[in-house]
Parts: sequence; C-alpha cells; structure tokens
Amino acid sequence: AQSVTQPDARVTVSEGASLQLRCKYSYSGTPYLFWYVQYPRQGLQLLLKYYSGDPVVQGVNGFEAEFIKSNSSFHLRKASVHWSDSAVYFCAVSLNYAQGLTFGLGTRVSVFP
Amino acid sequence: EAAVTQSPRNKVTVTGGNVTLSCRQTNSHNYMYWYRQDTGHGLRLIHYSYGAGNLQIGDVPDGYKATRTTQEDFFLLLELASPSQTSLYFCASSDGNQAPLFGEGTRLSVL
Repeated sequence: AQSVTQPDARVTVSEGASLQLRCKYSYSGTPYLFWYVQYPRQGLQLLLKYYSGDPVVQGVNGFEAEFIKSNSSFHLRKASVHWSDSAVYFCAVSLNYAQGLTFGLGTRVSVFP
Repeated sequence: EAAVTQSPRNKVTVTGGNVTLSCRQTNSHNYMYWYRQDTGHGLRLIHYSYGAGNLQIGDVPDGYKATRTTQEDFFLLLELASPSQTSLYFCASSDGNQAPLFGEGTRLSVL
C-alpha cells in the first residue's frame, strides 16, 4: 500500500528565511505527487503537482518542489517566507486522480517576524 | 469559478444520532470524495464516487454511508453517530485530470 511520510510535524522559521519541507513516499510505480496548504479554518488549497517532466516544479506563491526519484522524495521549498505562509502543509500521492489521494500527516509551519 | 460547497459548516449531535453531511460542486466534475481529518492521522478517504449513482469504498468506510444523487451532490451519512466520528470532514471533486478541489470542511462533534 502506498504511504506518505512527512517527518517534521512542526517547523518554525523567521520571516525572510528559506523553508524546506520534507516528503517521502512509498509506492511501487510512478505516482502523481502533490503539495497542498491548509490555512486556519479553511480547506486545502493546491500549491503544486507533479507527474513527469522537469523534476523541479513551480507552484503558487513562490513555492517549488523537487522530485528525486532515486530517493522517493518530493520536498517543498520557498526561498523567503512571509508571515502569511504560516499554515499546515500536506504532501499527497495518488496512482490516479479517480481513486483519491493518500496524504501525509502534515507539517505545521509557523513564521515569526 | 470552481467551487465545492459543504453544509453545514458545524454540527453537534449526540451518540446514536443521525447526521447527514452535504457537498455540492458546480465544476461539472465526475469524481467526488469524502475525507476525514484527525490529528495524528492526516486526511483519510472515507468514500468516493465516479458519478451519479456510483459509490466506491475508501480506506476508512466503517460507520459511514454515502450517496451520490446527482453529478453535483454527494452526501455522507452517519446513521448511528459515535464519539469516534468526531472529526473535520472534507469533500473534494475532480474531473480525473486535475488535482482535487476541496471544500472548506464540516466540523462534526458527537457528544
């Protein structure tokens, strides 16, 4: 069965600093990969997705992620965070969109001024 | 604008109660999903549907029924609610080619 591991439950960063959130998946095949963000009292919003092509994919709000097949990883990065980036970030995988996504437990990011 | 609307946004019921959570999407999407979100578990798939009248079982279906009455409407039913079903429930929809679009969630408390 597929699984997603986000090893960091909480990350605290200063405003303007860089951010990297780790994600590793276990899947026998080439899955679709996603990063979603959940702001307080809101639903999940898609940051970016990847299936094939350039392993570095750009998303919204300055986020990007890099797919490293040899390591089964899909880490999320942002060069300079803003206080509004404080949220919970979820990594997810899927064999195909029809059968739904498998999510990691999420990483709560707190950005301090 | 693409949208997934859930109702109610908050619900409190008692153990053994009957609860229906509603989800409507106006995106002409074929696929719809119900997830629950719990601390320590992330989001887990309860049921999903490929279209009106279709129902597929997800990863945590016990204690839940679902019904897809139209392409737009997908309902989650808890016929004998238990405290273990206290959770934040999300509905999502997809056309099968794009990442699922999520609603804003329904917070359910079972006392």
